Amino acid sequence: DGGITQSPKYLFRKEGQNVTLSCEQNLNHDAMYWYRQDPGQGLRLIYYSQIVNDFQKGDIAEGYSVSREKKESFPLTVTSAQKNPTAFYLCATGIDTQYFGPGTRLTVL
Amino acid sequence: AQSVTQPDIHITVSEGASLELRCNYSYGATPYLFWYVQSPGQGLQLLLKYFSGDTLVQGIKGFEAEFKRSQSSFNLRKPSVHWSDAAEYFCAVGAPSRGGADGLTFGKGTHLIIQP
Repeated sequence: DGGITQSPKYLFRKEGQNVTLSCEQNLNHDAMYWYRQDPGQGLRLIYYSQIVNDFQKGDIAEGYSVSREKKESFPLTVTSAQKNPTAFYLCATGIDTQYFGPGTRLTVL
Repeated sequence: AQSVTQPDIHITVSEGASLELRCNYSYGATPYLFWYVQSPGQGLQLLLKYFSGDTLVQGIKGFEAEFKRSQSSFNLRKPSVHWSDAAEYFCAVGAPSRGGADGLTFGKGTHLIIQP
């Protein structure tokens, strides 16, 4: 959606390296989410935050970490503990209705 | 635990023909229901949503969906498809008690192919 930006669009990293994906929004939404998408698997919830300085694990949080220091920003770090990090990562905002950013495709070589 | 089933992985429809994409959910009460569309390499765009009230909801791009409580279904329809409708379609549910604030549960998607 126009008010949600994710950067970069493509990201390549070597195995064993941590990498941080950016998500910024100007929609003034309190709630923000990170989803992972794999081919044929739909979207799965990694982490979510309903308010600044608070966040909760989703269904597949292992190997990931997040922070929510500002209302506008919810970065996701993919750590070396994540066994299969190559995927398409989508950020969303909103509570009753979620709006999605354009996504970041992460490839671990 | 809630779940969403989209029984059709791929559907092929001729341009101008009608379309129906199926979605069934498992949840203890009536959840919030959504349909999203995704073009290759892009984010998801909301087509329509159902929270309560009229069980036939209208969305963007000429799509509509009907909530049937007795069948736990929320099927997406379009009377006449266009080549630009070719995309991946996702059905999703959210917990009504928290307004979907805990995140959505998605189906695995249906890939729509349009034949000329």
